[in-house]
Amino acid sequence: DTGVSQNPRHKITKRGQNVTFRCDPISEHNRLYWYRQTLGQGPEFLTYFQNEAQLEKSRLLSDRFSAERPKGSFSTLEIQRTEQGDSAMYLCASSLGLGLAQSTFTDTQYFGPGTRLTVL
Amino acid sequence: GEDVEQSLFLSVREGDSSVINCTYTDSSSTYLYWYKQEPGAGLQLLTYIFSNMDMKQDQRLTVLLNKKDKHLSLRIADTQTGDSAIYFCAEKESGYSTLTFGKGTMLLVSP
Repeated sequence: DTGVSQNPRHKITKRGQNVTFRCDPISEHNRLYWYRQTLGQGPEFLTYFQNEAQLEKSRLLSDRFSAERPKGSFSTLEIQRTEQGDSAMYLCASSLGLGLAQSTFTDTQYFGPGTRLTVL
Repeated sequence: GEDVEQSLFLSVREGDSSVINCTYTDSSSTYLYWYKQEPGAGLQLLTYIFSNMDMKQDQRLTVLLNKKDKHLSLRIADTQTGDSAIYFCAEKESGYSTLTFGKGTMLLVSP
């Protein structure tokens, strides 16, 4: 396995357009996470899935954002009616998530290369 | 809420040791991580430490954890120009799966 992959790597769009990003996790990982990183900042959590279930969403995830993981494998993140403030790097990560108590298991997250979104 | 802070910039000469520092506020943090990010790339996991440990060494990397002061450091021995990147400290809070990151420390290694 070559790690987490994301497509596209770069996306330029005009304000008001919809965009969709894809993430393919490491194959045996059942947890998948989306983060957003703006210039000069660390990644900020958006949402995460265990298998196909979306277990947590950040308050950063406005109604214009939706994420899916229909078969518990790849995930998509859609942004509707993009705004200039959506310009950022969108990072996907995956982890093994063995289902053990979270506090007793590191459940290390491995990140993909990211999709850089520019909204004009 | 949780907060992770790092100094923004560090400059060292090739061959010297680098020490990158991080402080965190959440006393229930279970794991603390160091990630490396090169320009335009995603995050590469470097190492992590469990909160009941004081130190972890992995080749050129040494992580020190002072749980009382909520202070974490990453020491890179024999720093090389290829180590130039942004280094992020991140914590995982007990009972949660998500990570909280600092703003990153830019390490610049000059020849």
